[in-house]
Amino acid sequence: QQQVKQSPQSLIVQKGGISIINCAYENTAFDYFPWYQQFPGKGPALLIAIRPDVSEKKEGRFTISFNKSAKQFSLHIMDSQPGDSATYFCAANNAGNMLTFGGGTRLMVKP
Amino acid sequence: EAQVTQNPRYLITVTGKKLTVTCSQNMNHEYMSWYRQDPGLGLRQIYYSMNVEVTDKGDVPEGYKVSRKEKRNFPLILESPSPNQTSLYFCASSLGLRAFFGQGTRLTVV
Repeated sequence: QQQVKQSPQSLIVQKGGISIINCAYENTAFDYFPWYQQFPGKGPALLIAIRPDVSEKKEGRFTISFNKSAKQFSLHIMDSQPGDSATYFCAANNAGNMLTFGGGTRLMVKP
Repeated sequence: EAQVTQNPRYLITVTGKKLTVTCSQNMNHEYMSWYRQDPGLGLRQIYYSMNVEVTDKGDVPEGYKVSRKEKRNFPLILESPSPNQTSLYFCASSLGLRAFFGQGTRLTVV
């Protein structure tokens, strides 16, 4: 039973377009929501994170939108570039260091 | 350079032959963990350690063992590997809520 559900599993976007990846969670005790980016042959690396006391966080072309009442959060990649092609994982944490990950989204940005 | 180092990167083994995947971090982090990555399932935590000699089970601990005798090292042991343990394994160390991952070990059990 996955506590964090991520969609879509794969996504193809044209260069310059907007990539949107969605996640939903069950456990209301989660209080930290990071996104990790993973390139082929590499380990995941922290991309951006948000806490539930804010509804949006933006870092460059990457934005997290958070809807606490719906228990959903999403990653938006504006002006998507071929270099953004990677697998993205949403995650959630409740106290301590244990992260619960979504199933991952493989993003391909076509030139 | 701050890093988490796993070895080996690739391993093919036979059912039942004990193996160890090593993990070492140079960031002096107290918290370390092991994950396995399978298509569609994301990363699932196998074991974690909050400090030396303190380890605990994650979500999928069956068939695995760990030890934490030194702060920097956190090996993953498969005493009798089975084909359902074929997967991509990641070690991570954490500072606060941020996890730093190694480059992964692709294990195939035949």
